[in-house]
Amino acid sequence: EPEVTQTPSHQVTQMGQEVILRCVPISNHLYFYWYRQILGQKVEFLVSFYNNEISEKSEIFDDQFSVERPDGSNFTLKIRSTKLEDSAMYFCASLRSGASNEQFFGPGTRLTVL
Amino acid sequence: GENVEQHPSTLSVQEGDSAVIKCTYSDSASNYFPWYKQELGKGPQLIIDIRSNVGEKKDQRIAVTLNKTAKHFSLHITETQPEDSAVYFCAASSGGSEKLVFGKGTKLTVNP
Repeated sequence: EPEVTQTPSHQVTQMGQEVILRCVPISNHLYFYWYRQILGQKVEFLVSFYNNEISEKSEIFDDQFSVERPDGSNFTLKIRSTKLEDSAMYFCASLRSGASNEQFFGPGTRLTVL
Repeated sequence: GENVEQHPSTLSVQEGDSAVIKCTYSDSASNYFPWYKQELGKGPQLIIDIRSNVGEKKDQRIAVTLNKTAKHFSLHITETQPEDSAVYFCAASSGGSEKLVFGKGTKLTVNP
């Protein structure tokens, strides 16, 4: 069964460093998302992406964040200058079409900022 | 914006008992309500969902009910098994490709 994959599973970085989290959505899906979950808190929406542009972004998704679909398979989240409070589990999700509802989630990348 | 509240935060039941998890939402424009199960080290997986034109949906031991007037929806698991132990999240969205707004999660433990 097709699945969303994410790499790395765990990323440790120093405050101020740039990180890139990578996702490979399901191949025939058209909509892509990033969510994050700070330990013990809700899963929060960060950004949605469709047709090579951002559809919606949350207040969390400030100028330090960016997303890209550099080729036909990868979907990346970049944090330019990480802060301690960026430490969280980051989930990528994909959706087949606007007529569908089910977002398929990847296993997540745990980001630890020291 | 939408706000989803979920209760309880932890739930412990004996194998074979039923488990009920409740969520409320605030935005009357929400019309799609999925439930996700998250096992340790894995991403959330959809287990059942319901749209606002339906009051109840059942899939084997799992059912979801929706009260649109009261803006609340519930997950019911009957005949619980140890493998049902996980964190369960409810979510709401206005459907289609719109973002999901999640509840805080319920850690369900099924004791053998």
